[in-house]
Amino acid sequence: EVQLVESGGDLVQPGGSLRLSCSVSGFTISSYWMSWVRQAPGKGLEWVANINQDESEKYYVDSVKGRFTISRDNAKNSLYLQMNSLRAEDTGVYYCASGGMYHRFWGQGTLVTVSS
Amino acid sequence: EVVLTQSPGTLSLSPGERATLSCRASLSVSSSYLAWYQQKPGQAPRLLIYGASTRATGIPDRFSGSGSGTDFTLTISRLEPEDFAVYYCQQYGSSPRTFGGGTKVEIK
Repeated sequence: EVQLVESGGDLVQPGGSLRLSCSVSGFTISSYWMSWVRQAPGKGLEWVANINQDESEKYYVDSVKGRFTISRDNAKNSLYLQMNSLRAEDTGVYYCASGGMYHRFWGQGTLVTVSS
Repeated sequence: EVVLTQSPGTLSLSPGERATLSCRASLSVSSSYLAWYQQKPGQAPRLLIYGASTRATGIPDRFSGSGSGTDFTLTISRLEPEDFAVYYCQQYGSSPRTFGGGTKVEIK
């Protein structure tokens, strides 16, 4: 059974940092692109970033460029999102998802709240 | 950036009825790289369709996708009680990947 389990979400003040993790079981991520997608409270889905198998390609939505960094550890079968200089508009549920195009597998999400 | 506009915003239908959801792109979506997802409250999205018309593994055949270029459609032939949810389209033909704003299918 495929499982993606996100962790690291928390309440953080504007300007603060968080590191999200996504632990994957049931398939080996080293063969796949991986992505982060977020959803603000009561809103739709927004693609955040994706990364290829060997970390040589990383892409970001404009609103997070220079602040967020996607990375992976294939040996640990895990995906990460380092989030710096957080803003109120970064608040939402962050999902880890398989693939760099469409997303077959999703985690249940981790909640990030940016507020003073 | 490809902007996806979904319509209608809300669709009120009864079980057994046919649902037709639209997704219109601001630019042509290359190679029909369009996907559809279903999301229920408190749950992660679920992949229904990719490549505009290919059903994902385990998706019932009452769900079908069609379209190309800038106009795409998700059809649910006969609504089951578990189909009432929010549906999103997503294009992956260009970066940044983008999602539509969603269509809520609610019980009439």
